[in-house]
Amino acid sequence: NAGVMQNPRHLVRRRGQEARLRCSPMKGHSHVYWYRQLPEEGLKFMVYLQKENIIDESGMPKERFSAEFPKEGPSILRIQQVVRGDSAAYFCASSPRQGRSGYTFGSGTRLTVV
Amino acid sequence: GQQLNQSPQSMFIQEGEDVSMNCTSSSIFNTWLWYKQEPGEGPVLLIALYKAGELTSNGRLTAQFGITRKDSFLNISASIPSDVGIYFCAGTQLENGGATNKLIFGTGTLLAVQP
Repeated sequence: NAGVMQNPRHLVRRRGQEARLRCSPMKGHSHVYWYRQLPEEGLKFMVYLQKENIIDESGMPKERFSAEFPKEGPSILRIQQVVRGDSAAYFCASSPRQGRSGYTFGSGTRLTVV
Repeated sequence: GQQLNQSPQSMFIQEGEDVSMNCTSSSIFNTWLWYKQEPGEGPVLLIALYKAGELTSNGRLTAQFGITRKDSFLNISASIPSDVGIYFCAGTQLENGGATNKLIFGTGTLLAVQP
C-alpha cells in the first residue's frame, strides 16, 4: 500500500457531526477512487475522480456524501450529519491513467460513529 | 449493486497444502483481479488478468481468466503461515460500450494456515 496516503487512520464522530477523510494519491497518479467496506464484506465502489472532475459517482449515497479532488491537495470524502450506519472502513485508491484497473489502495480510514 | 460470488467462504488448512478459490458471475467481465487483505490494511493487488483464457503466475500464486469471461480462479501452492488473510476477487465490466475502472468485488475467502 506504499504511496497512497490516507488520514486519519481512525476517526470517531458523534451522530450528526461531519467526517472528512483525506487521500493523497501516489505521485504521478491523477485518478482517485473511493470505496467503502462494511464489516465482513467486500469493498463497494463509491466514486471515481480525476483532478477537479467527478467521473463516476454512481456508488455515492444521494444525500450527505460528497467528494472532491482539487487541482492542489488531497482528495476529500465528506460525510455530513453522520449516522451509525456510516461506520465502516473507507479506502482510497489511485492510478496513473484509465484503462488498467489494478490500482493501488491506501490503508483506509476506519470511521466509527457513536 | 452487483457482487461477485466467491467460494469457499473460508478455508482452514495445514502449512504446505495447496489452496484453490474461485469467483463466478452471471455476467461478463473484461478484467479480473485478485487482492489480499490483512487485518487493518487495504487490499493489496496480487494478480491482474486482462484477457479471456489468460493464465498468470506470481510466485506461488496462479490465477486464470475464464474462457467464458464469467469466472476466475486463484491457486496458492505450498501455503505458508504468512498467506493468512482475506482474498478478494474483483472485476470490471463494460459500461455504455466502454471500459470502466469501477471495481466490483467478491465476497472474500478467509484463509487460515496452521503451521
